[in-house]
Amino acid sequence: GAGVSQSPSNKVTEKGKDVELRCDPISGHTALYWYRQSLGQGLEFLIYFQGNSAPDKSGLPSDRFSAERTGGSVSTLTIQRTQQEDSAVYLCASSREGGLVSNTQYFGPGTRLTVL
Amino acid sequence: DQQVKQNSPSLSVQEGRISILNCDYTNSMFDYFLWYKKYPAEGPTFLISISSIKDKNEDGRFTVFLNKSAKHLSLHIVPSQPGDSAVYFCAAGPDSWGKLQFGAGTQVVVTP
Repeated sequence: GAGVSQSPSNKVTEKGKDVELRCDPISGHTALYWYRQSLGQGLEFLIYFQGNSAPDKSGLPSDRFSAERTGGSVSTLTIQRTQQEDSAVYLCASSREGGLVSNTQYFGPGTRLTVL
Repeated sequence: DQQVKQNSPSLSVQEGRISILNCDYTNSMFDYFLWYKKYPAEGPTFLISISSIKDKNEDGRFTVFLNKSAKHLSLHIVPSQPGDSAVYFCAAGPDSWGKLQFGAGTQVVVTP
């Protein structure tokens, strides 16, 4: 596609439920990144994929968070047993090659997650 | 630890005047620096970048300056326009994993 797409755009869930967020990167981009932005905060790095493997998972806040990428394309971020502090905008970005920072990251519109 | 810092959370400037946004970094190995712009309810969009072999890069109303010895970069917007009101993120890299590190952002408000 023309840009990074994310779905759903908005998700409201009850505390304790599991949610799945999806990211479709730009076609041909090998690197994919997940970030989140809580209200009034900056961009918090979560995880980075190069192809289907995740060399850097250092940003995942707890073991309730996991992510996978299949076929070197679509990625899903799963949050189990959601908590109210998980409420944030979850952003996905992709770049042509990972490990070569001169390749700019392009962001999707984000998924706004609200945990009641 | 935060390797990229934007110490001003907000900036208000009059339309037509210059906006100057600042960013400091701690990792002397960083060699590529970017600015992103973010409107509410949208993802950040790439604005301008500079590599460490340069000290200035200009694109229309936007100019980025890099001072490697001070580990400091700045973004100048001249003249500022109401459509420039947004959050601006500074980014730098590569970190040890080869990816960008982002600052916390500066909210710019351009007033008529």
